[in-house]
Amino acid sequence: SQQGEEDPQALSIQEGENATMNCSYKTSINNLQWYRQNSGRGLVHLILIRSNEREKHSGRLRVTLDTSKKSSSLLITASRAADTASYFCATSRGDSWGKLQFGAGTQVVVTP
Amino acid sequence: EADIYQTPRYLVIGTGKKITLECSQTMGHDKMYWYQQDPGMELHLIHYSYGVNSTEKGDLSSESTVSRIRTEHFPLTLESARPSHTSQYLCASSNRGGQGEKLFFGSGTQLSVL
Repeated sequence: SQQGEEDPQALSIQEGENATMNCSYKTSINNLQWYRQNSGRGLVHLILIRSNEREKHSGRLRVTLDTSKKSSSLLITASRAADTASYFCATSRGDSWGKLQFGAGTQVVVTP
Repeated sequence: EADIYQTPRYLVIGTGKKITLECSQTMGHDKMYWYQQDPGMELHLIHYSYGVNSTEKGDLSSESTVSRIRTEHFPLTLESARPSHTSQYLCASSNRGGQGEKLFFGSGTQLSVL
């Protein structure tokens, strides 16, 4: 069954706007990661947040983690057309070392 | 850019054929994985390996098999392909253990079985 579940399923914004997507999961985790996938390609790692962290930044990306609510959010600020992609959250559990469980992703379209 | 390569990029074959999807990485990673992804859906882990001569089945049952004879090479084989095997297959690798493990993915093989 699906561990991570992204919301919304799809998001359409204009260049310069911020994009926010959320991920909810079911069981306790060691860390949560976000990946980007361009159409028909493999996934690229964006950012990792550990279970004892609440917020992390990387360039235009901001990730939050609320373990009490079992949820995370990814914010992309000042979006660009090149940010058009699907974004997946993935969780790592203590009893499944090294194996990630992915959600179905949020499809983001950024129009010029 | 990740140094992990998958071939072929696209494969269209008839039912009953034996196929092998190739995956190689030049990063010296111990751990390698195969994920299966249908359009608009989550990735499902079908096989993984923690090193040479180590292979395990993943969360999603698959009729495919894998081998890990060399660190850099993790091929996936289907003995008799069926239309239900049509999907995208993504290979990945990782190195660091513990809690800080991120995956490096290949570009995937899109398999269509007619």
